[in-house]
Amino acid sequence: DVQLVESGGGLVQPGGSLRLSCVASGFTFATYTMNWVRQAPGKGLEWISYISGSRDPDTVYYVDSVKGRFTISRDNAKNSLYLQMNSLRAEDTAVYYCARRSKIPGLVDYGIDVWGQGTTVTVSS
Amino acid sequence: DIVMTQSPDSLAVSLGERATINCKSSQSVLFSSNNKDYLAWYQQKPGQPPKLLIYWTSIRASGVPDRFSGSGSGTDFTLTISSLQAEDVAVYYCLQYYSAPNTFGQGTKLEIK
Repeated sequence: DVQLVESGGGLVQPGGSLRLSCVASGFTFATYTMNWVRQAPGKGLEWISYISGSRDPDTVYYVDSVKGRFTISRDNAKNSLYLQMNSLRAEDTAVYYCARRSKIPGLVDYGIDVWGQGTTVTVSS
Repeated sequence: DIVMTQSPDSLAVSLGERATINCKSSQSVLFSSNNKDYLAWYQQKPGQPPKLLIYWTSIRASGVPDRFSGSGSGTDFTLTISSLQAEDVAVYYCLQYYSAPNTFGQGTKLEIK
């Protein structure tokens, strides 16, 4: 089964740091572009970052609200995706989802097709 | 950034009736090289992650019942549930994945009347 499992969430004070992890299984992780999407309590979905897979040019991208504070990375040998979050603010409080972008170049692009269950980050003093 | 605007914000429909959710993008999400609109629809139930329903505007993801359909082009898109079932109560989101940052609509909450 294709699966994404996030971990690393928790309670952190404003200005603090946290590192989220996502372990993938059931597919060839290295070839897929991976994303982080968050959802603040009672709010909608916000896409925040992606990192390209091995079939695409090396690219990372961040939404403006996290640029310069968050860093996305991956370790293909460990089938793992990471999000290093620094200088955390109250408005970063959310459930953070790891999500797979699925496409076959020249054939099909499903968009984001697989999601983890999410890990909760709470920024509060 | 492309702004996605859904309407309505909430919707109450009787069981067995049709439900229609609209999504408008501030720019075209049409990829000219393959003539596909990069627009997807997701269903999210409480306490669960989103589930992909529709990609490329109108193609149902694997296992999605055929009462769900997507339509539209350019900047205006629609998700239709032809005959509402109790298990369809959820929040529905559109997503443009044409350009970064990918952007979601604000969501439409669907309830039973």
